[in-house]
Amino acid sequence: DTVLTQSPALAVSPGERVTISCRASESVSTGMHWYQQKPGQQPKLLIYGASNLESGVPARFSGSGSGTDFTLTIDPVEADDTATYFCQQSWNDPTFGGGTKLELK
Amino acid sequence: EVQLQESGPGLVKPSQSLSLTCSVTGYSITSNYWGWIRKFPGNKMEWMGYISYSGSTSYNPSLKSRISITRDTSKNQFFLQLNSVTTEDTATYYCASAYVYYGPYGYWGQGVMVTVSS
Repeated sequence: DTVLTQSPALAVSPGERVTISCRASESVSTGMHWYQQKPGQQPKLLIYGASNLESGVPARFSGSGSGTDFTLTIDPVEADDTATYFCQQSWNDPTFGGGTKLELK
Repeated sequence: EVQLQESGPGLVKPSQSLSLTCSVTGYSITSNYWGWIRKFPGNKMEWMGYISYSGSTSYNPSLKSRISITRDTSKNQFFLQLNSVTTEDTATYYCASAYVYYGPYGYWGQGVMVTVSS
């Protein structure tokens, strides 16, 4: 299995820029996607193919990376962005990262 | 608009089978890929498998001996069966849709919480 590692939690102030990282145990090319999940809701696709913004998602969200290191950036962060963010790779049998819980100060 | 809705029992006894239904509206399951993903207490998420537009299936190797995904195209539904469940199968189960077989998953159901307990 391709293991995806995310930092467990981050705290930022509204208006700041935040980067959430995801490291893969082996190369997944650009087969990396990012989801936002709020409590009691289903995951929502934000970024696909490492850097492509899903339709309807605010341009404050962006993604970058290839190979084993990927980043989701939110700039500027808003109060509504409080959520857990997951990465998922689709290069082989899909796996998910453990999630990064974003809290606002 | 594509909508998915999971249904099924919220409580299953150990050693029994877990059976869930995903009802899809707004899109035909004879297109795209239709998967099951679960989220365990503590946030870990696991891809379980998919059924394709043609009816072919792919499963997570860790579940391969216990899982079956089938469909009923006349009702636009697909189904999950997981056999010989244990307490470790307690999770929220989501059905989801992807344009490509391994994702990304662009549409998700609300999820159904399933507890395995005697």
